[in-house]
Amino acid sequence: LAKTTQPISMDSYEGQEVNITCSHNNIATNDYITWYQQFPSQGPRFIIQGYKTKVTNEVASLFIPADRKSSTLSLPRVSLSDTAVYYCLTPNNTDKLIFGTGTRLQVFP
Amino acid sequence: EAGVAQSPRYKIIEKRQSVAFWCNPISGHATLYWYQQILGQGPKLLIQFQNNGVVDDSQLPKDRFSAERLKGVDSTLKIQPAKLEDSAVYLCASSRYLDSYEQYFGPGTRLTVT
Repeated sequence: LAKTTQPISMDSYEGQEVNITCSHNNIATNDYITWYQQFPSQGPRFIIQGYKTKVTNEVASLFIPADRKSSTLSLPRVSLSDTAVYYCLTPNNTDKLIFGTGTRLQVFP
Repeated sequence: EAGVAQSPRYKIIEKRQSVAFWCNPISGHATLYWYQQILGQGPKLLIQFQNNGVVDDSQLPKDRFSAERLKGVDSTLKIQPAKLEDSAVYLCASSRYLDSYEQYFGPGTRLTVT
């Protein structure tokens, strides 16, 4: 079972910033938090990964508070093409990534 | 760098028939994964290879599913015989290192069992 909890769906409009928060209360000390994006009819795509504080790349930012019990994926100025399912993952006890149902983000014009 | 290749992209079979899926990972990636994704759900890991050895097949229904990666590169996943509940997208992924959290996925094979 996935060890993370995230909203089932979110709506946004083009140009807005979208923040998707994921809860992982039982995260282990050494676990990283990984986010994937999946478009319809495609395989998931790695977006970003972090351990603590803030990580930023050309696609998104990931904010992780000091207690690491949650994390927030931030997508700046979304466009219609950001409509996708976003998965927050932490590894299980055998170091495997477990996908939950993800957050379905719908961006409207 | 070429991505993960999978074929076929779509397959329709009747229950109790057999089917096979093929995957070619990214060159140099030692780890290969097969996932099953049922509509509306996240991908579920079926089997993981490191080179040509199985690392984890704990969630593979071994009575009907089999997979191999004989030369440590390409892999095939077979279902025999298929059941209606096997209708799903079968995704292949690869990563450079064992248990890497950065995996590269192929486009998947959509299987419909009627």
